[in-house]
Order: sequence, then structure tokens, then C-alpha cells
Amino acid sequence: AQKVTQAQTEISVVEKEDVTLDCVYETRDTTYYLFWYKQPPSGELVFLIRRNSFDEQNEISGRYSWNFQKSTSSFNFTITASQVVDSAVYFCALIQGRDSNYQLIWGAGTKLIIKP
Amino acid sequence: DAGVTQSPTHLIKTRGQQVTLRCSPKSGHDTVSWYQQALGQGPQFIFQYYEEEERQRGNFPDRFSGHQFPNYSSELNVNALLLGDSALYLCASSLSRSSGYTFGSGTRLTVV
Repeated sequence: AQKVTQAQTEISVVEKEDVTLDCVYETRDTTYYLFWYKQPPSGELVFLIRRNSFDEQNEISGRYSWNFQKSTSSFNFTITASQVVDSAVYFCALIQGRDSNYQLIWGAGTKLIIKP
Repeated sequence: DAGVTQSPTHLIKTRGQQVTLRCSPKSGHDTVSWYQQALGQGPQFIFQYYEEEERQRGNFPDRFSGHQFPNYSSELNVNALLLGDSALYLCASSLSRSSGYTFGSGTRLTVV
């Protein structure tokens, strides 16, 4: 069975604090892709990062960084020096499947509140 | 390069009516998926179209149907609307599973 778990329903921090959003996944496929999306109050899902199962290299993009660990089936997302504009719901997602028969499997999302 | 375009942006329908939502995929994408997102919840997969055929379907009743046209655009139809169908309907397009999905801004459907 495939599953994505985001155990943190809501996180609230004060601006400039660092915050980590957890994502744990389950899959039987050896080839899969992991994603993080941001959904601000406007509703549109904004793509943040894609990581394939063969690339465990961590990635940093400005204040954002991602830690992919296959040994623990985790793909955590850290925001450094958080800002009020980072307030949104963040979703972790998994793609697996063959050919054209694939679909995104979503976590429940973590609502991040950054207080000024 | 236009991303995914959805229309309309907002819609109010009466219980029992039928509704059609439209989606134009990102240029170069050939696969369209539809999701329903209720307030405060994550997206729920409705179905996916590729080569004008429904390839996968989530746990949604037959009242939800769709279509993909030769130009890869897609429609989502919902018949016999229920109050519980009120949600944000998101369309996403992709070229392959490795490319990920590009999402539209969604259609906010309210059933009264």
C-alpha cells in the first residue's frame, strides 16, 4: 500500500524561527517521486520541489531545504528564518505507478502559521 | 507559457443540478487529473485522463464523469449535485510522472 503521512496538523511559530515539516511515506515501488506543494490562502497549489527515489542528495533553495532519507522513508522540509509570507498549508505527495497509470498520493497537509 | 487554466473560477449551483468544469493543460502536457478539495482538507483524487481515456479513478460515484479532448483539454461533469459536492476542484496536468503536476487555480463550487 502507498501512503503519505504528515503527522503535524498545524504548526505555529514566531517570525524568524526555523521550522521543519515532517513527511513519512510508504511505497512498494523502487522507483517513485516525492513532492512538496504550498497552498496559500488563495487556493492554488504551488510546486516547491521534486525528488526521485534514486537521488538522496539534500537540496537547499534559499531559505528552503529538504532532507530525503530512504532509510526512514522520510522527506522533511525545513524553512529557515521563517517569514509571515510562508504562512500556508504545505502538502507532501508521492507519485508511483507505471506508464500513464500514475497518480499523486497526498498527505493530509500541515498548516503553517508564522506570527509577526 | 500559460500554465493550467480552469474555468469558471467560481460557481454557485442548486442541489440536483448538473455542472461542467473546464481545464486547459499546460502547453506540452498530455495528462489531466482532477481533484476535489473540501475546506480544510487535502486534495482527493477524482480521476485521470490520458489519450482521451479515463486511466485511473478515485473513490467517487458515477455522478462524477469526465472527458478529454484531442487537444488534451478536459471537462469534469457532476450530475445531481449534493450539498457535499461543495469544494474547490483542482485540475492538474503533467507529461510524465517524473515531471510532477502543474495545478490550476481551481474552481470554487458552492452547492446551495
